[in-house]
Parts: sequence; C-alpha cells; structure tokens
Amino acid sequence: SAVISQKPSRDICQRGTSLTIQCQVDSQVTMMFWYRQQPGQSLTLIATANQGSEATYESGFVIDKFPISRPNLTFSTLTVSNMSPEDSSIYLCSVLLAGLHEQYFGPGTRLTVT
Amino acid sequence: KQEVTQIPAALSVPEGENLVLNCSFTDSAIYNLQWFRQDPGKGLTSLLLIQSSQREQTSGRLNASLDKSSGRSTLYIAASQPGDSATYLCAVQGAQKLVFGQGTRLTINP
Repeated sequence: SAVISQKPSRDICQRGTSLTIQCQVDSQVTMMFWYRQQPGQSLTLIATANQGSEATYESGFVIDKFPISRPNLTFSTLTVSNMSPEDSSIYLCSVLLAGLHEQYFGPGTRLTVT
Repeated sequence: KQEVTQIPAALSVPEGENLVLNCSFTDSAIYNLQWFRQDPGKGLTSLLLIQSSQREQTSGRLNASLDKSSGRSTLYIAASQPGDSATYLCAVQGAQKLVFGQGTRLTINP
C-alpha cells in the first residue's frame, strides 16, 4: 500500500488568485494522478503527473489553468490558477502501484473560491 | 470511451440488513475493478480490488463480484451497520486510467 498526504487540507480563496496543492507519497511511485471532484459529482481525472517531463492532461483541462510539477518520484504539486467559483471542488492526488494496478488516494484538498 | 454506471444512486436501509450495490461498465477491456468508500468531505478509501481474471474478492463483511463479460460488478455488504453509511464508488482501471461511476450514497438507519 501507499500513504499519501496532501497540503493544505482545505482553503478558502478569492476569485482571481492561485493555489498550489502539494502531494507527498511515502514511497517511490511511477504513476501519480490529480483528480477533481466537484460538489455532488464523481471524480474526474485532470492529468497524469510525469516525473521529469510535462504532465499529460485530459480533455477539458489545460496546463495554463492547472500547472503540475513532479520533481521526483514521491512528490507532486497541482496549481489552480486564476480561480473562479466554478473551481470550488475537492482535489485529490492518487498513485498507481505497479503489479496489481491498484490506486491509492490522498485525503483530498477542499477548495472554496469566493 | 469507458462509461461506468452505479445503481441505485441512493439507498437507505435499516441496520442489520444485507444489501447489494451495483456497478456496470461498457468496455470489458479492463485491468481490474476497485470499490471505494468516501465519507462526506473526505478522500477515498480502497475497499476491494478485483483483478480482471478474478470473479470475486472478500474482506470482512464485504464481498465484491466481477463478471467482465457482461460488464457488471456487485458489492455485497452483510449485516449493515450505521458506520457503513458513506458513498460507495466503483471504478474500472483501463490501460492507466481509472474511470469512476457516480457513486451510491448509502444510509444505514439505527
């Protein structure tokens, strides 16, 4: 298994500002992902965070809005840029463990944009 | 494109009952299927993982089955307890992408 921590756990931000969310894993993993969960909705994949190269974004998500860093195999950041109230969501980091292809999730960051 | 559907969207039962949550998916080319639990405002807890070659997995009072050919999975919860109240999410793992259903919100009434 993997233990994943996220910072901050929650934040309230003003429209037009940016927030960077950190994800730390207790072991080296190849695959890290960022998801968004809008209120009352299920999870949607934002991007795959690639170590040493640019993140791979899903349809509907762009690097200018959600820049991602992955400096090593245990850490990643997601920035939500130029925020609007529509960005109010829970943002979750996850990792995929090799072999069983099992995904583990962090506790999430609850973002409210006013 | 993989689509995952969960039925029912919400379920409320008295404590002690056995219950079944359903999950269906459209593309049978999957690596595995995972059931997660999510408490309000929290992250996801992995409950059970079924590999594509397996038919079922059990953990305590939980039993998950997988019928890949028909694109269906069920999560069986025995002797339900109020602490089981949460949203249960089904997700199928493709090449590297996990696709989620909308979840079933379960309420167990004391």
